[in-house]
Amino acid sequence: DVKVTQSSRYLVKRTGEKVFLECVQDMDHENMFWYRQDPGLGLRLIYFSYDVKMKEKGDIPEGYSVSREKKERFSLILESASTNQTSMYLCASSSPRAGKNGELFFGEGSRLTVL
Amino acid sequence: GEDVEQSLFLSVREGDSSVINCTYTDSSSTYLYWYKQEPGAGLQLLTYIFSNMDMKQDQRLTVLLNKKDKHLSLRIADTQTGDSAIYFCAESMTAGSSNTGKLIFGQGTTLQVKP
Repeated sequence: DVKVTQSSRYLVKRTGEKVFLECVQDMDHENMFWYRQDPGLGLRLIYFSYDVKMKEKGDIPEGYSVSREKKERFSLILESASTNQTSMYLCASSSPRAGKNGELFFGEGSRLTVL
Repeated sequence: GEDVEQSLFLSVREGDSSVINCTYTDSSSTYLYWYKQEPGAGLQLLTYIFSNMDMKQDQRLTVLLNKKDKHLSLRIADTQTGDSAIYFCAESMTAGSSNTGKLIFGQGTTLQVKP
């Protein structure tokens, strides 16, 4: 069964703390994505990666960074957490290979609360 | 830029049909998708339609695509309480004639099914 695993389902952090959100996929997918989900706003793309050590900014990258040292792992980093980063974070992966429909496979999500 | 719009809420009675609507802006999108998110979970692909199709049927689900109006709809026949969830419309994002691998999501429609 194909899987995207996010390491933490729930986190509570204090303002100014550094936060790491880890995501691992077992499908040998080239593409990996981090979205945040907020009520009424849907999913907004933070960062994405098409390959190892490669990253590109999405629509809302401010306050975030990412790391992709291995193909299966894509980490989201909040250098100094702020209350407006309280949200649900969703990791996803996909394959750009021919014959695929571009479907994104999602993890279960990490709900982050910043106090 | 690209944008996907959906209404935020729909309430139906069990056994009725549900119709969730979506408008999008990128006329060169290759695929359009419907994802379902159950409470506390990530998103799962429900169905998708290739841009050269007008309709796709899959058991209780019917997807209609009107490319001229950039309008996508999802009809769920004989709606059940287990269909209660958030439904996201998404379009594949292109750059020129190439698929970028990124998806643009709508705000999500919360479907409430009353017994």
